Amino acid sequence: AQTVTQSQPEMSVQEAETVTLSCTYDTSESDYYLFWYKQPPSRQMILVIRQEAYKQQNATENRFSVNFQKAAKSFSLKISDSQLGDAAMYFCAYYTGANSKLTFGKGITLSVRP
Amino acid sequence: EPEVTQTPSHQVTQMGQEVILRCVPISNHLYFYWYRQILGQKVEFLVSFYNNEISEKSEIFDDQFSVERPDGSNFTLKIRSTKLEDSAMYFCASSGTSGTGTQYFGPGTRLLVL
Repeated sequence: AQTVTQSQPEMSVQEAETVTLSCTYDTSESDYYLFWYKQPPSRQMILVIRQEAYKQQNATENRFSVNFQKAAKSFSLKISDSQLGDAAMYFCAYYTGANSKLTFGKGITLSVRP
Repeated sequence: EPEVTQTPSHQVTQMGQEVILRCVPISNHLYFYWYRQILGQKVEFLVSFYNNEISEKSEIFDDQFSVERPDGSNFTLKIRSTKLEDSAMYFCASSGTSGTGTQYFGPGTRLLVL
């Protein structure tokens, strides 16, 4: 069974600084997709970034980028120039074409200090 | 930008009552999902739906749950006889394709069972 692990429950970053959120996963599949979702206090789930496992190039989306290490089954999210609006819960998630469901990690609470 | 919508945003019900949670997926999407998130916990998959039938369901999705696409736009989750432990945030999601498609989430319905 696929599992997603986010071992850090909380992190804090100074505004304008860079922070990295960690995620590891376990799978026997070779073709899959990885996501980071942001959940602000409103509890809406907002897609931050997506990575296809077959792509070697790390995905980037403005201030957000990932470090995808397929052999290590690691998928970390880097947030550059952190802003107050980045404060939220961040969930790492895994998806494979073999089934329909997203499997989520437990999430990490990110706080941003002004 | 198209988005998934959900109604109601909040629902309070008595234990044993039936509730129907409604979702309007993104209009050209074909795959629909329900997830739930108990407060402070991770997001859990409930069910996926395609071509007017369930594709996959989790062990949480027992006989008291059902899903339906009653018309071309709505997608509903019914809980027949609510229990206290059904109190959670319920998210609807949709995607244009299965296996490779990104799932876009609605804002959620916060269900409280008393």
